[in-house]
Amino acid sequence: KAGVTQTPRYLIKTRGQQVTLSCSPISGHRSVSWYQQTPGQGLQFLFEYFSETQRNKGNFPGRFSGRQFSNSRSEMNVSTLELGDSALYLCASSLAGGYGYTFGSGTRLTVV
Amino acid sequence: GNSVTQMEGPVTLSEEAFLTINCTYTATGYPSLFWYVQYPGEGLQLLLKATKADDKGSNKGFEATYRKETTSFHLEKGSVQVSDSAVYFCALTSPTETSYDKVIFGPGTSLSVIP
Repeated sequence: KAGVTQTPRYLIKTRGQQVTLSCSPISGHRSVSWYQQTPGQGLQFLFEYFSETQRNKGNFPGRFSGRQFSNSRSEMNVSTLELGDSALYLCASSLAGGYGYTFGSGTRLTVV
Repeated sequence: GNSVTQMEGPVTLSEEAFLTINCTYTATGYPSLFWYVQYPGEGLQLLLKATKADDKGSNKGFEATYRKETTSFHLEKGSVQVSDSAVYFCALTSPTETSYDKVIFGPGTSLSVIP
């Protein structure tokens, strides 16, 4: 079966701009979680969506938001980009929340 | 809250050496424990898991045993290969009323295996 697909793979944005990242989960998975990975902070949880509802949220400012569509595809949006938002953003889908994650390859965001 | 601590490395080993990466955790209740591996330029892959005390997870020659008395889940492999070079993450999740909570990851341990 197809894995978790994240698009785009690489992105370069300017400070102050906004960006939208996309994640298509494994077919049948209704839970989609997002993580930010940086060398200094490691893997930090952003949020989880389940059946179009945000079920869990990490400690990130309101500039980070997300949504999930009826087909379980998810998007995350970052507004007013800062240099510190440069990171690898990983999406993981599962049947049951944090159990049995399958990760995508990530989107590498660089803010200049 | 829940947390995971692991040796950060980097760890450098010669091919066929024995590998141990230590992992300890803090959690309420009965978490499930995982090891994930990340190869360069890729996302994370589940390596092995254990869901209750004394369970042993194993995959591709790697093993880890869920030790509730020491709150540990150390990763071991008897003979590493160059292809095992990657970053290894210890992680946990706790059951909720209807599902599982978000996964908490350790900081990751970078492993380099030299021929």
